[in-house]
Amino acid sequence: DSGVTQTPKHLITATGQRVTLRCSPRSGDLSVYWYQQSLDQGLQFLIQYYNGEERAKGNILERFSAQQFPDLHSELNLSSLELGDSALYFCASSQLTGPYGYTFGSGTRLTVV
Amino acid sequence: AQTVTQSQPEMSVQEAETVTLSCTYDTSENNYYLFWYKQPPSRQMILVIRQEAYKQQNATENRFSVNFQKAAKSFSLKISDSQLGDTAMYFCAFLETSGSRLTFGEGTQLTVNP
Repeated sequence: DSGVTQTPKHLITATGQRVTLRCSPRSGDLSVYWYQQSLDQGLQFLIQYYNGEERAKGNILERFSAQQFPDLHSELNLSSLELGDSALYFCASSQLTGPYGYTFGSGTRLTVV
Repeated sequence: AQTVTQSQPEMSVQEAETVTLSCTYDTSENNYYLFWYKQPPSRQMILVIRQEAYKQQNATENRFSVNFQKAAKSFSLKISDSQLGDTAMYFCAFLETSGSRLTFGEGTQLTVNP
């Protein structure tokens, strides 16, 4: 157990639908990062939040949005889903300037049918 | 923007042998951090080893060690005494000092054969 909790582990939904992925960071970590990993691809950075505020944005589609709540958990909302959105979505957390890298959750496998 | 390149999409090694995975990166920063992550078939991302750019000494974690060449912007991972459980995708990653974004390479699929 890495200490980063992601729910649900698996999600199957239809095109055009909206889903919410949830992440609870490791205790003490203020930063949350979201990454997308499509089949046999590397990890693409989507967005970072630090203590409730957006800090950095990557290649995140306009159909996707995220937020971090006062209790530091984060949600990634994916709407108007397309087949190409099927991927493994990782959440990671860290102390903002820590050199120790990120701690990753086990991911949410999203399948759009 | 920083980029990370792993030029070996796939590699294989015999059990108990040594293998080296390559990684190069591009940055204009002087201080940064480098990492190797392992992603086994379970898909969990596991930190293998990290290196701080201001440290000249190469990092070592048990059977895993790195060869960090700052001038060449090279960061290779050596796995000694390879084990079947080392079979995984290995990602090289770069983190700027401000820590706002971990940038990953494309990954190298390593297979350890019995």
